[in-house]
Amino acid sequence: EVQLVQSGAEVKKPGESLKISCKGSGYSFTSYWIGWVRQMPGKGLEWMGIIYPGDSDTRYSPSFQGQVTISADKSISTAYLQWSSLKASDTAMYYCVRSLTGDRVRFDPWGQGTLVTVSS
Amino acid sequence: SYELTQPPSVSVSPGQTARITCSGDALPKQYAYWYQQKPGQAPVLVIYKDSERPSGIPERFSGSSSGTTVTLTISGVQAEDEADYYCQSADSSGTFVVFGGGTKLTVL
Repeated sequence: EVQLVQSGAEVKKPGESLKISCKGSGYSFTSYWIGWVRQMPGKGLEWMGIIYPGDSDTRYSPSFQGQVTISADKSISTAYLQWSSLKASDTAMYYCVRSLTGDRVRFDPWGQGTLVTVSS
Repeated sequence: SYELTQPPSVSVSPGQTARITCSGDALPKQYAYWYQQKPGQAPVLVIYKDSERPSGIPERFSGSSSGTTVTLTISGVQAEDEADYYCQSADSSGTFVVFGGGTKLTVL
């Protein structure tokens, strides 16, 4: 069974750093893209960016370029989403998703989500 | 920046047909995808490449495309179909992924 399992909920203060993870299993991790999607409380879905763990090719949404860093460690089949200095506006649910090389728009499956709360 | 436009809400009675539209200038060039999200759960893909249905998705879910508008149709709506539905596609260059604002389907 293809699965993406994300790290647990985080509570942080403004200005702190954070790295959340997404571990893939049940498929060849290096042959598919892994993306990240943000959902702010009560709001819609926003595409943040995507990485190809096979060669670390990474693309960012213009809205998130420079605000976050996406990386992957193929030796442990894990992708990461990282912030160097969190803001209250980063409070959201973050989902990782898998997509095909030939169909990067098709997100399937989704991880269970990681809730990030940033509050002083 | 590129946008996909969905109606905020659609309401139907059980057994009726629900149609949710999504409009975008690049839709004639780029495929559309649809996701269902129930409260407290991660989204689930229900339609890909305009009209293809993933395995495990009920046949009552279908998709179609016409010009700059794509439509998700749910035939014989059931109470369990009450959820938020998001369309998704790429910009005209195929570089950036975009989601519509979401449509809340209410089953009366």
